[in-house]
Amino acid sequence: AQSVTQPDARVTVSEGASLQLRCKYSYFGTPYLFWYVQYPRQGLQLLLKYYPGDPVVQGVNGFEAEFSKSNSSFHLRKASVHWSDWAVYFCAVSYPTGKLTFGDGTVLTVKP
Amino acid sequence: EAAVTQSPRSKVAVTGGKVTLSCHQTNNHDYMYWYRQDTGHGLRLIHYSYVADSTEKGDIPDGYKASRPSQENFSLILELASLSQTAVYFCASRTGFSNERLFFGHGTKLSVL
Repeated sequence: AQSVTQPDARVTVSEGASLQLRCKYSYFGTPYLFWYVQYPRQGLQLLLKYYPGDPVVQGVNGFEAEFSKSNSSFHLRKASVHWSDWAVYFCAVSYPTGKLTFGDGTVLTVKP
Repeated sequence: EAAVTQSPRSKVAVTGGKVTLSCHQTNNHDYMYWYRQDTGHGLRLIHYSYVADSTEKGDIPDGYKASRPSQENFSLILELASLSQTAVYFCASRTGFSNERLFFGHGTKLSVL
């Protein structure tokens, strides 16, 4: 069965520092992978998505993610974090049938 | 921008009572989903639908029913609400392609007392 693991429940970084949020997936075949962000009291919004092809995917607001089939990973990165990035980040994997499985999320805290 | 509207935004229900959460989308999307989110956890799929008048069980369907009377509307029904169903519920919609994004509503915070 497909699954997603986000090993870090909470990550704290200083504003302006670089960021990596980890995601490991379990999926038979080539997955469709997504990163969503949830701001306080809002629904989830798409940051970026991966289709088979270029392993590095660019998203909104300077986010990017790199797919690794050998490591079963899809880590999210940002070169310089802004205070407005304070949110919860979810990694997700999609079946071809359309069913989406989410990880438990990583809470990102940004220190001034 | 695609729109998914949930109502109510929050609700307090009594144990054993009936609760109906509503979702309306104007995206002309085929797929609609109900997820629940518990504090500190990700989203878990309750029910989904890919066509009007048909619903499918997700990963945690027990204690919930769903109804899709039209392409635009998708309801989640708790016939006998229980304390364990206190959570935030999200509705989402998507086109028929599995590599496409979900569009989420703002969520409904349900408290069962």
